[in-house]
Amino acid sequence: NAGVTQTPKFQVLKTGQSMTLQCAQDMNHNSMYWYRQDPGMGLRLIYYSASEGTTDKGEVPNGYNVSRLNKREFSLRLESAAPSQTSVYFCASSDTETQYFGPGTRLLVL
Amino acid sequence: AQSVTQPDIHITVSEGASLELRCNYSYGATPYLFWYVQSPGQGLQLLLKYFSGDTLVQGIKGFEAEFKRSQSSFNLRKPSVHWSDAAEYFCAVGGTGAQKLVFGQGTRLTINP
Repeated sequence: NAGVTQTPKFQVLKTGQSMTLQCAQDMNHNSMYWYRQDPGMGLRLIYYSASEGTTDKGEVPNGYNVSRLNKREFSLRLESAAPSQTSVYFCASSDTETQYFGPGTRLLVL
Repeated sequence: AQSVTQPDIHITVSEGASLELRCNYSYGATPYLFWYVQSPGQGLQLLLKYFSGDTLVQGIKGFEAEFKRSQSSFNLRKPSVHWSDAAEYFCAVGGTGAQKLVFGQGTRLTINP
């Protein structure tokens, strides 16, 4: 049982480049989330998806787009990366009581 | 708006000593409260959660937390820490169904041998 998986683990981008972070869960959860983690700021919600086919903005959505491809997969896209998007990105999924987190993607934008 | 404050950015304790990590929250309704732990380079692992009922909740790895509504607090405790407890600890608050959690800034725990 893999839980929540994320790819890639680490990525370096140049300013203006685009990329998609992938997330998949095998727990049959309806809800999925994308967070970013920056030093001293905890985790901040970027986007979430309460169910397949729906997505909603979180606290810090600017510069990001998401796709809930199916019940298992929830991707995060940076269309034009900026240095301010250097961060560690976590995907999570939840049942009715608990969020379960992936191992994270460390992104460096130069 | 909901918010979580963890007043201590960094705490150092000696191995075998007791531990208390503070968490204060602001939430308009009955809160769902969580403590997560993050080891270096890892994702977050749930330690314990409180939804309702007994205000003292037990978690994994010997941790417990007490919900005090009058103080808007949900402090994490452990009677005797081990070197393997060195990590960052996050308190979080949310509403029904663990949706849209708001996290505190985190407390980094260092253990002295």
